[in-house]
Amino acid sequence: DAKTTQPPSMDCAEGRAANLPCNHSTISGNEYVYWYRQIHSQGPQYIIHGLKNNETNEMASLIITEDRKSSTLILPHATLRDTAVYYCIVPNNAGNMLTFGGGTRLMVKP
Amino acid sequence: DTGVSQDPRHKITKRGQNVTFRCDPISEHNRLYWYRQTLGQGPEFLTYFQNEAQLEKSRLLSDRFSAERPKGSFSTLEIQRTEQGDSAMYLCASSLLSAFGTQYFGPGTRLLVL
Repeated sequence: DAKTTQPPSMDCAEGRAANLPCNHSTISGNEYVYWYRQIHSQGPQYIIHGLKNNETNEMASLIITEDRKSSTLILPHATLRDTAVYYCIVPNNAGNMLTFGGGTRLMVKP
Repeated sequence: DTGVSQDPRHKITKRGQNVTFRCDPISEHNRLYWYRQTLGQGPEFLTYFQNEAQLEKSRLLSDRFSAERPKGSFSTLEIQRTEQGDSAMYLCASSLLSAFGTQYFGPGTRLLVL
């Protein structure tokens, strides 16, 4: 799997946008970027994934740079319930597992 | 609820005992995965099944760990002769064959070995 680098922690004010960065400079041309989050004491939850175009769903938006070496997950209006560890993952297409790094611990504050 | 379920949610055992955990995946998912998560770390992949076939097991932590999915539906993970270092959260996930990157996780089984 391509290695990903994320800041260990971030804070965000409730109601503001949370922008979580991820570097994946060794990503290959056909590898997707996936984002998961894990709320305390729960299993990880899939959020969104993308290849090279920006993606949006009901949970978040994913912005991938043109060179695909980095991406940003955007939670447009963060709530207290968005407090979680967010993982950026680039699984190898030949593999069948997700390799979780340390993730970013997002704390949404009132 | 049609999500992934795991049983039990919590297990306390004494060192040396055997434990078995069960995972029921989303019914139409033909892939099933097991992960382990220790405190403060991200989940660590252990093994996975495609239908009833176990296609990757080299990442099981030792020969004390084994997993089965006999009919391609639910799966069990067994740890024999438990050690205190086995204390962790054991997570199960499932996915469609065509979308292995989109995995749906269960709530996990938290194991404490005394």
